[in-house]
Amino acid sequence: NAGVTQTPKFRVLKTGQSMTLLCAQDMNHEYMYWYRQDPGMGLRLIHYSVGEGTTAKGEVPDGYNVSRLKKQNFLLGLESAAPSQTSVYFCASSYAGFEQYFGPGTRLTVT
Amino acid sequence: DQQVKQNSPSLSVQEGRISILNCDYTNSMFDYFLWYKKYPAEGPTFLISISSIKDKNEDGRFTVFLNKSAKHLSLHIVPSQPGDSAVYFCAASAKVSGSRLTFGEGTQLTVNP
Repeated sequence: NAGVTQTPKFRVLKTGQSMTLLCAQDMNHEYMYWYRQDPGMGLRLIHYSVGEGTTAKGEVPDGYNVSRLKKQNFLLGLESAAPSQTSVYFCASSYAGFEQYFGPGTRLTVT
Repeated sequence: DQQVKQNSPSLSVQEGRISILNCDYTNSMFDYFLWYKKYPAEGPTFLISISSIKDKNEDGRFTVFLNKSAKHLSLHIVPSQPGDSAVYFCAASAKVSGSRLTFGEGTQLTVNP
């Protein structure tokens, strides 16, 4: 079992560029989440999904979009990157909603 | 509005001693609490949890205590080991919010040999 994997691990973008972060899980979990971690602020929920074809906004959704076309994948998109989106992004999944399993993270820098 | 707060950004203890990490919350709807551990360049990993119907949960060297009246929980690590050096996050959830977790800012624990 690979658990939760994230692609890519690192990325540098220029302001205004777009990109998609891919999260995949092989645990057949219903729930999937995208967080960002910034210094001194813990993990903040961006968007989440409670099942294939569903998405919902979290605490800090502005500037991001998500899609869950397949149960095992959860994509996070940045349409027009801004320096404020420089962060470490974590994907997580869970079976029943509480105990979440995290991926290794994607470090994104927007210049 | 920070609903889950970890007021100590860092904590340093000697190997073999007890480490106590603290967490306060403001939302009285929270009914499930978790602690996660994070090493550099890795994702957080689940450590231990507690439901609001309990006041203590123990798993090996790790014990979580919940004081609902004070809206306070703590994680005790006994004895502390150098491998415990990591950032610890507390998180809380409410049934009404479904599957969402609210995280604290994290506390960097350093265990000195």
